[in-house]
Amino acid sequence: GAVVSQHPSWVICKSGTSVKIECRSLDFQATTMFWYRQFPKQSLMLMATSNEGSKATYEQGVEKDKFLINHASLTLSTLTVTSAHPEDSSFYICSAAPHPRYNEQFFGPGTRLTVL
Amino acid sequence: KQEVTQIPAALSVPEGENLVLNCSFTDSAIYNLQWFRQDPGKGLTSLLLIQSSQREQTSGRLNASLDKSSGRSTLYIAASQPGDSATYLCAVTNFGNEKLTFGTGTRLTIIP
Repeated sequence: GAVVSQHPSWVICKSGTSVKIECRSLDFQATTMFWYRQFPKQSLMLMATSNEGSKATYEQGVEKDKFLINHASLTLSTLTVTSAHPEDSSFYICSAAPHPRYNEQFFGPGTRLTVL
Repeated sequence: KQEVTQIPAALSVPEGENLVLNCSFTDSAIYNLQWFRQDPGKGLTSLLLIQSSQREQTSGRLNASLDKSSGRSTLYIAASQPGDSATYLCAVTNFGNEKLTFGTGTRLTIIP
Protein backbone atom coordinates (compact mmCIF):
# COMPACT_ATOMS: atom_id res chain seq x y z
CA GLY A 1 0.00 0.00 0.00
CA ALA A 2 0.80 3.74 -0.02
CA VAL A 3 2.07 3.89 -3.60
CA VAL A 4 2.71 7.21 -5.32
CA SER A 5 3.33 7.48 -9.05
CA GLN A 6 4.70 10.28 -11.18
CA HIS A 7 4.34 10.88 -14.88
CA PRO A 8 6.38 11.31 -16.92
CA SER A 9 9.51 9.76 -15.44
CA TRP A 10 11.65 11.94 -17.66
CA VAL A 11 11.04 14.75 -20.12
CA ILE A 12 13.20 16.80 -22.45
CA CYS A 13 11.83 20.08 -23.74
CA LYS A 14 12.91 23.21 -25.53
CA SER A 15 13.48 26.46 -23.69
CA GLY A 16 10.31 28.51 -23.45
CA THR A 17 7.87 25.62 -23.43
CA SER A 18 5.73 24.49 -20.50
CA VAL A 19 5.91 21.06 -18.94
CA LYS A 20 3.31 19.36 -16.74
CA ILE A 21 4.22 16.70 -14.22
CA GLU A 22 1.55 14.54 -12.58
CA CYS A 23 1.66 13.03 -9.12
CA ARG A 24 -0.90 10.38 -8.17
CA SER A 25 -1.59 8.48 -4.98
CA LEU A 26 -2.66 5.08 -6.27
CA ASP A 27 -4.16 3.35 -3.27
CA PHE A 28 -4.96 6.08 -0.77
CA GLN A 29 -6.42 9.54 -0.58
CA ALA A 30 -3.99 12.36 0.00
CA THR A 31 -5.30 15.58 1.42
CA THR A 32 -1.81 17.01 1.20
CA MET A 33 0.86 16.58 -1.45
CA PHE A 34 4.33 18.06 -1.54
CA TRP A 35 6.62 19.00 -4.41
CA TYR A 36 10.38 18.84 -4.05
CA ARG A 37 13.30 19.70 -6.24
CA GLN A 38 16.65 17.97 -6.13
CA PHE A 39 19.88 19.08 -7.79
CA PRO A 40 22.65 16.56 -8.47
CA LYS A 41 24.30 15.27 -5.31
CA GLN A 42 22.15 17.50 -3.14
CA SER A 43 19.29 16.84 -0.79
CA LEU A 44 15.63 17.52 -1.45
CA MET A 45 14.34 21.07 -1.26
CA LEU A 46 10.65 21.61 -0.60
CA MET A 47 9.07 23.81 -3.24
CA ALA A 48 5.44 23.88 -2.18
CA THR A 49 2.72 22.21 -0.17
CA SER A 50 -0.46 21.40 -2.03
CA ASN A 51 -3.82 20.89 -0.34
CA GLU A 52 -6.80 19.48 -2.20
CA GLY A 53 -9.21 22.18 -3.26
CA SER A 54 -7.11 25.13 -2.16
CA LYS A 55 -4.15 27.15 -3.32
CA ALA A 56 -0.68 25.77 -2.83
CA THR A 57 1.66 27.22 -0.24
CA TYR A 58 5.03 28.03 -1.74
CA GLU A 59 8.36 28.08 0.07
CA GLN A 60 10.36 31.26 0.17
CA GLY A 61 12.18 31.90 -3.08
CA VAL A 62 9.95 29.67 -5.22
CA GLU A 63 8.13 31.57 -7.97
CA LYS A 64 4.47 30.62 -7.85
CA ASP A 65 3.82 31.98 -11.34
CA LYS A 66 6.57 29.80 -12.76
CA PHE A 67 5.74 26.62 -10.89
CA LEU A 68 1.96 26.22 -11.09
CA ILE A 69 0.50 23.63 -8.77
CA ASN A 70 -3.00 22.22 -8.98
CA HIS A 71 -4.46 19.70 -6.54
CA ALA A 72 -7.85 19.06 -8.06
CA SER A 73 -8.64 15.75 -6.39
CA LEU A 74 -7.60 13.66 -3.41
CA THR A 75 -5.40 11.49 -5.63
CA LEU A 76 -3.88 13.90 -8.13
CA SER A 77 -1.62 16.93 -7.99
CA THR A 78 0.10 18.51 -10.97
CA LEU A 79 3.16 20.74 -11.25
CA THR A 80 3.49 22.83 -14.38
CA VAL A 81 6.83 24.44 -15.11
CA THR A 82 5.93 27.41 -17.28
CA SER A 83 8.29 28.92 -19.84
CA ALA A 84 10.99 26.49 -18.84
CA HIS A 85 14.64 27.48 -19.06
CA PRO A 86 17.83 25.41 -18.75
CA GLU A 87 18.21 26.43 -15.09
CA ASP A 88 14.90 24.68 -14.39
CA SER A 89 16.50 21.36 -15.33
CA SER A 90 16.34 19.22 -12.23
CA PHE A 91 14.85 16.15 -10.60
CA TYR A 92 11.34 16.84 -9.34
CA ILE A 93 9.86 14.54 -6.69
CA CYS A 94 6.39 14.60 -5.20
CA SER A 95 5.13 13.05 -2.00
CA ALA A 96 1.70 12.44 -0.56
CA ALA A 97 0.49 12.33 3.00
CA PRO A 98 -2.46 9.99 3.58
CA HIS A 99 -5.34 11.31 5.60
CA PRO A 100 -5.26 11.49 8.56
CA ARG A 101 -1.59 10.53 8.95
CA TYR A 102 -0.40 13.92 7.86
CA ASN A 103 3.07 13.47 9.22
CA GLU A 104 4.06 10.44 7.18
CA GLN A 105 4.88 11.05 3.55
CA PHE A 106 5.20 8.58 0.70
CA PHE A 107 7.32 9.54 -2.25
CA GLY A 108 6.95 9.19 -5.99
CA PRO A 109 9.77 7.91 -8.23
CA GLY A 110 10.65 11.38 -9.47
CA THR A 111 10.66 13.15 -12.84
CA ARG A 112 13.88 14.16 -14.56
CA LEU A 113 13.37 17.43 -16.46
CA THR A 114 15.95 18.55 -18.99
CA VAL A 115 15.44 21.90 -20.69
CA LEU A 116 17.52 22.45 -23.82
CA LYS B 1 14.52 27.01 11.85
CA GLN B 2 15.15 23.29 11.89
CA GLU B 3 18.47 22.16 10.43
CA VAL B 4 19.38 18.53 9.83
CA THR B 5 22.93 17.35 9.32
CA GLN B 6 24.28 13.94 8.36
CA ILE B 7 27.81 12.78 8.92
CA PRO B 8 29.72 11.42 7.12
CA ALA B 9 28.78 12.68 3.67
CA ALA B 10 30.20 9.52 2.12
CA LEU B 11 31.18 6.14 3.51
CA SER B 12 32.75 3.03 1.98
CA VAL B 13 32.90 -0.24 3.87
CA PRO B 14 33.69 -3.86 2.92
CA GLU B 15 30.79 -6.23 2.51
CA GLY B 16 29.69 -7.95 5.70
CA GLU B 17 30.62 -5.17 8.08
CA ASN B 18 28.19 -3.49 10.42
CA LEU B 19 27.93 0.28 10.09
CA VAL B 20 26.31 3.32 11.62
CA LEU B 21 25.00 6.43 9.89
CA ASN B 22 24.45 9.58 11.91
CA CYS B 23 21.81 12.29 11.79
CA SER B 24 21.56 15.36 14.01
CA PHE B 25 18.88 18.04 14.21
CA THR B 26 18.85 21.44 15.91
CA ASP B 27 15.23 21.66 17.11
CA SER B 28 14.29 18.79 19.39
CA ALA B 29 10.53 19.50 19.19
CA ILE B 30 10.04 16.93 16.49
CA TYR B 31 6.93 14.90 15.73
CA ASN B 32 8.78 12.08 14.02
CA LEU B 33 11.97 11.19 12.19
CA GLN B 34 12.25 9.12 9.03
CA TRP B 35 15.13 7.38 7.34
CA PHE B 36 14.98 7.06 3.57
CA ARG B 37 17.04 5.35 0.93
CA GLN B 38 17.59 6.86 -2.51
CA ASP B 39 19.17 5.00 -5.40
CA PRO B 40 20.76 7.09 -8.19
CA GLY B 41 18.14 8.79 -10.34
CA LYS B 42 15.29 7.34 -8.31
CA GLY B 43 12.77 8.51 -5.76
CA LEU B 44 12.85 7.87 -2.03
CA THR B 45 12.08 4.63 -0.27
CA SER B 46 11.00 4.94 3.33
CA LEU B 47 13.04 2.64 5.57
CA LEU B 48 11.98 3.44 9.12
CA LEU B 49 9.74 5.95 10.86
CA ILE B 50 10.29 6.76 14.52
CA GLN B 51 7.65 8.69 16.41
CA SER B 52 8.87 11.23 18.96
CA SER B 53 7.72 9.01 21.81
CA GLN B 54 9.78 6.06 20.57
CA ARG B 55 13.45 5.29 21.11
CA GLU B 56 14.06 2.92 18.23
CA GLN B 57 12.59 1.01 15.33
CA THR B 58 13.81 -2.15 13.65
CA SER B 59 13.24 -3.65 10.23
CA GLY B 60 15.30 -6.65 9.22
CA ARG B 61 18.98 -5.69 9.27
CA LEU B 62 18.16 -2.05 9.95
CA ASN B 63 17.82 -0.44 13.36
CA ALA B 64 17.16 3.25 13.88
CA SER B 65 17.47 4.96 17.24
CA LEU B 66 16.28 8.35 18.36
CA ASP B 67 17.57 10.54 21.18
CA LYS B 68 15.35 13.58 21.02
CA SER B 69 16.97 15.45 23.90
CA SER B 70 20.37 15.40 22.25
CA GLY B 71 18.96 15.90 18.75
CA ARG B 72 20.43 12.73 17.31
CA SER B 73 19.42 9.64 15.42
CA THR B 74 21.48 6.73 14.15
CA LEU B 75 20.79 4.15 11.49
CA TYR B 76 22.54 0.85 12.14
CA ILE B 77 22.96 -1.55 9.23
CA ALA B 78 24.03 -5.07 10.13
CA ALA B 79 25.96 -7.42 7.85
CA SER B 80 26.13 -4.94 4.98
CA GLN B 81 25.58 -6.13 1.40
CA PRO B 82 26.46 -4.56 -1.97
CA GLY B 83 22.73 -3.97 -2.51
CA ASP B 84 22.79 -1.60 0.44
CA SER B 85 24.82 0.87 -1.62
CA ALA B 86 22.71 4.02 -1.94
CA THR B 87 22.28 7.48 -0.47
CA TYR B 88 20.61 7.49 2.93
CA LEU B 89 18.61 10.51 4.00
CA CYS B 90 17.09 11.34 7.36
CA ALA B 91 14.26 13.81 7.69
CA VAL B 92 12.27 15.25 10.58
CA THR B 93 8.79 16.66 10.99
CA ASN B 94 8.19 19.26 13.66
CA PHE B 95 5.03 19.60 15.71
CA GLY B 96 2.39 21.73 14.03
CA ASN B 97 4.13 21.44 10.70
CA GLU B 98 3.60 18.80 8.03
CA LYS B 99 6.84 19.64 6.27
CA LEU B 100 9.81 17.31 6.20
CA THR B 101 13.23 18.84 6.73
CA PHE B 102 15.84 16.69 5.05
CA GLY B 103 19.41 16.08 6.01
CA THR B 104 22.28 16.38 3.61
CA GLY B 105 22.52 12.63 3.06
CA THR B 106 25.21 9.97 3.37
CA ARG B 107 26.35 8.22 0.21
CA LEU B 108 27.10 4.62 1.20
CA THR B 109 29.18 2.24 -0.90
CA ILE B 110 29.52 -1.40 0.09
CA ILE B 111 32.62 -2.96 -1.42
CA PRO B 112 32.17 -6.60 -2.53
